[in-house]
Amino acid sequence: GQQVMQIPQYQHVQEGEDFTTYCNSSTTLSNIQWYKQRPGGHPVFLIQLVKSGEVKKQKRLTFQFGEAKKNSSLHITATQTTDVGTYFCAGPFIQGAQKLVFGQGTRLTINP
Amino acid sequence: GAGVSQTPSNKVTEKGKYVELRCDPISGHTALYWYRQSLGQGPEFLIYFQGTGAADDSGLPNDRFFAVRPEGSVSTLKIQRTERGDSAVYLCASSLMGAPGGELFFGEGSRLTVL
Repeated sequence: GQQVMQIPQYQHVQEGEDFTTYCNSSTTLSNIQWYKQRPGGHPVFLIQLVKSGEVKKQKRLTFQFGEAKKNSSLHITATQTTDVGTYFCAGPFIQGAQKLVFGQGTRLTINP
Repeated sequence: GAGVSQTPSNKVTEKGKYVELRCDPISGHTALYWYRQSLGQGPEFLIYFQGTGAADDSGLPNDRFFAVRPEGSVSTLKIQRTERGDSAVYLCASSLMGAPGGELFFGEGSRLTVL
């Protein structure tokens, strides 16, 4: 079965609107990471969450790790055109495996 | 160098040919990953090295794919008898820590096109 599901697959917003992407795992995670990939670019690390219920903020970005450590979210407040890109969660979604697996990503586009 | 370096940046080859893609990680990073990314998809795990050894190669799609990291630094991904379905961007990433924790630093990728 699918180890990780990231939703939505696409999101189009007006500049200034908020945006949220969700990542759901079928297994309990030791940690979860978030990456951003600009069009034509490579993934760039944003943050890592480790603790149950952890919330971390980076300016307009808020990252949460669920209490059960099976889900996570990224929320962007008042989007700007520089937020355009695809946001991926990544984690050890396969229990016992060492590899870091990426979600399918949420592609964010913004109407200025 | 300051970042992860991948060469070539673009490779066009014919079906059935052999291809090598090179990755030079950040100095001192013991962990090295290869991913493959098709258009509109997330990076797909291929193989993970901790030092010189492949700690997890479960993502290699078949025996045409092979990767080495003989001295624990530079890695080469080798693809034999290329097929059109191998066309993708091959991403290399390195990390100071081993999986599953630790920030990954990605290279710009090698875009492979198999005609």
